Amino acid sequence: GAGVSQSPRYKVTKRGQDVALRCDPISGHVSLYWYRQALGQGPEFLTYFNYEAQQDKSGLPNDRFSAERPEGSISTLTIQRTEQRDSAMYRCASSKRARIGELFFGEGSRLTVL
Amino acid sequence: QQQVKQSPQSLIVQKGGISIINCAYENTAFDYFPWYQQFPGKGPALLIAIRPDVSEKKEGRFTISFNKSAKQFSLHIMDSQPGDSATYFCAASIGETSGSRLTFGEGTQLTVNP
Repeated sequence: GAGVSQSPRYKVTKRGQDVALRCDPISGHVSLYWYRQALGQGPEFLTYFNYEAQQDKSGLPNDRFSAERPEGSISTLTIQRTEQRDSAMYRCASSKRARIGELFFGEGSRLTVL
Repeated sequence: QQQVKQSPQSLIVQKGGISIINCAYENTAFDYFPWYQQFPGKGPALLIAIRPDVSEKKEGRFTISFNKSAKQFSLHIMDSQPGDSATYFCAASIGETSGSRLTFGEGTQLTVNP
């Protein structure tokens, strides 16, 4: 596709369940980022990959959050044992390697934990 | 830690007027300052960016003014149009290359009345 594709667009889950959010970046973009955006707030950095290598995971809130990008393309953000405070919009972005400023964001996955 | 503070939280402007959004940062290591525009239901999209070696950058109706000594930068939208109604985020990073995590402000919801 032409843009960053995320799925599911909406996910409602019960507290304690695991969820997996998927991101398909723009073809040819080797850098992939995960951000979390609370309502009325700016995006907050979670983690980032160059190709399949996770370069920085310092923004992940705790060890219930993990991400992978095994083949350097599609990425999955997994949240284990979800809690209500995990409810947010999770956004994926991709960029050409040398130009962080030109981040292309997807439309996001809205997670609601009941 | 809020490293980029943005104001106002919301702004209402008449068509043809000037919209001004301000941001202040704390980390003097920041050296790349993009602005993102976000329409409802969409991901943020890069609007314009500036580096601290210039005090102003203009692209069409959009201008960034940068004051390094005050650690402040602002977005000016001239001849504001109803189509400019969106949420605007300032951001900052250390460096522009891949791996530079963007720190976003809290956003300004701009409404341009016809």
